[in-house]
Amino acid sequence: DVKVTQSSRYLVKRTGEKVFLECVQDMDHENMFWYRQDPGLGLRLIYFSYDVKMKEKGDIPEGYSVSREKKERFSLILESASTNQTSMYLCASGGQGRSGANVLTFGAGSRLTVL
Amino acid sequence: AQKVTQAQTEISVVEKEDVTLDCVYETRDTTYYLFWYKQPPSGELVFLIRRNSFDEQNEISGRYSWNFQKSTSSFNFTITASQVVDSAVYFCALSETYTGNQFYFGTGTSLTVIP
Repeated sequence: DVKVTQSSRYLVKRTGEKVFLECVQDMDHENMFWYRQDPGLGLRLIYFSYDVKMKEKGDIPEGYSVSREKKERFSLILESASTNQTSMYLCASGGQGRSGANVLTFGAGSRLTVL
Repeated sequence: AQKVTQAQTEISVVEKEDVTLDCVYETRDTTYYLFWYKQPPSGELVFLIRRNSFDEQNEISGRYSWNFQKSTSSFNFTITASQVVDSAVYFCALSETYTGNQFYFGTGTSLTVIP
């Protein structure tokens, strides 16, 4: 019954490395999101996508990029990882159209450590 | 400015006690949605409830109940007769029509139920 799958649960990378975080959903949702979760800061939106090849910046896009070549897959890219990007990354998908009523389904998260 | 405020960072209760998690939101939109999500230790956020801004009826689902008050911009969550399995981080979230599908999360309240 897996609906949102994040490819890696734990990653350890070195400063300056390029990092790919993959997310796949099987619910045919148009909307997909990448959040970052840090203690005391809650969930902060990095990027979201409301259609294939479409993307919009969230609140903290600096240092990140995304790719949405297929409807079911939304990738988060750290071009040159830095230690301040050590965090838990959560992918979510939610519904059709740009509606605030969409319920988000989350993946299990990817915990990234940058050394 | 924080759109969703969860002032309680951590709460501990003894099993079978009732507990209320507070959520205060800020929006200038007339049409919006409020959500609660639960994040157990496994990490995956799970949807609990969604309310729209036009429906102020309180809702009860088993041991869970929600109190939505537009006058105080609050959407509080009460767990009655708490159980150890309720231990988790709980997030309140807001989505607004005019921001077009952005979801704003609070910083979360970590609930520990002590057996």
